[in-house]
Amino acid sequence: DIQMTQSPSSMSVSLGDTVTITCRASQDVGIYVNWFQQKPGKSPRRMIYRATNLADGVPSRFSGSRSGSDYSLTISSLESEDVADYHCLQYDEYPYTFGAGTKLELK
Amino acid sequence: EVQLVETGGGLVQPGRSLKLSCVASGFTFNNYWMSWTRQAPGKGLEWVASITNSGGSTYYPDSVKGRFTISRDNAQNTLYLQMNSLRSEDTATYYCTRAGSFDYWGQGVMVTVSS
Repeated sequence: DIQMTQSPSSMSVSLGDTVTITCRASQDVGIYVNWFQQKPGKSPRRMIYRATNLADGVPSRFSGSRSGSDYSLTISSLESEDVADYHCLQYDEYPYTFGAGTKLELK
Repeated sequence: EVQLVETGGGLVQPGRSLKLSCVASGFTFNNYWMSWTRQAPGKGLEWVASITNSGGSTYYPDSVKGRFTISRDNAQNTLYLQMNSLRSEDTATYYCTRAGSFDYWGQGVMVTVSS
């Protein structure tokens, strides 16, 4: 199975920060990585698809990038509504696998 | 507007069965693969099953293979997850998702496996 090693597991952030979360894939997954935001008690929301594409309705301060087997989600100029859990997913190969998640908390 | 509405969750004893349903609307259901994904309390997300748009092929992780069956009724725009031989570790919120790219998710339904 492909492992998606997500880091950090949690992050203490301030409004206006630039935040980067990374997932490292244990095998090549090409562009088939999504990023999801999840707020407490809510369903996940797709933010980035195919590694670098902004999903509909997602603010432009969110971006996705890839460097080799490392996939990153960057939030520029963090706003209060961005404080949430974030998850990566590889859907290149079965079984699809998620990262363990990153919890953003305000300082 | 795309909507996915799950039903069928609840409390069930270990070893028993439960069937979840997901009614889809707002898109042409039979054009899309569909999936189930779950999240145990306080834990991360886990992909549980996927099915092709025709229902002809299904996919599972080892953790549920042989116990769970995903199916669909395209005439009724409904996705199902039959869960047999349930275990305590199957306790989770189960989400219906439009697969391909996991772009839409239902609100989730809670399944608790406990005696």
